[in-house]
Amino acid sequence: SQQGEEDPQALSIQEGENATMNCSYKTSINNLQWYRQNSGRGLVHLILIRSNEREKHSGRLRVTLDTSKKSSSLLITASRAADTASYFCATDDIPGNQFYFGTGTSLTVIP
Amino acid sequence: DTAVSQTPKYLVTQMGNDKSIKCEQNLGHDTMYWYKQDSKKFLKIMFSYNNKELIINETVPNRFSPKSPDKAHLNLHINSLELGDSAVYFCASSWGQGTGELFFGEGSRLTVL
Repeated sequence: SQQGEEDPQALSIQEGENATMNCSYKTSINNLQWYRQNSGRGLVHLILIRSNEREKHSGRLRVTLDTSKKSSSLLITASRAADTASYFCATDDIPGNQFYFGTGTSLTVIP
Repeated sequence: DTAVSQTPKYLVTQMGNDKSIKCEQNLGHDTMYWYKQDSKKFLKIMFSYNNKELIINETVPNRFSPKSPDKAHLNLHINSLELGDSAVYFCASSWGQGTGELFFGEGSRLTVL
């Protein structure tokens, strides 16, 4: 299946450090998205990057996409304790019928 | 106003019972989804409806029956609950099928005893 896989599964950093999470997927996509999930809450959309884009920024977030390697990375700069959450990538399939998620990266930012 | 709301937030029930989860979105979206998140946080799509029409029905037991009375509502009914049905169920919506961003509800945690 197209299911994305995030890496690492868990990440623990000090406040102020940068956090990098990676996502790999299997088949061609139209776009890739990153979501955040706070404990016990629903997922919230962070950023979308299209297959013809290589990099995108939104505030402290930087997303890259390498379609040749079928991978993406999410960089959170100058992390804060409030960034503690699980982060998921979501990919679609070329027909664009649905979104595929993985198991996410659990990020802990230590104050 | 909550964009995607689902009720109940928590559901504890015995094996063999039937239960329903309701979902409503006030975003005017055409497409609604049900996702299941297991204990390892893996999020898997179950159903997708576009304008009240079933678009996606993944390999979900037929004990699960979605119903969409209108494009703003997508309910999930589960018959003969089993232990393995314990999970968090998320409703989501988007403008189009597999298009743009997903807006999620807060989830309904189902525990089957």
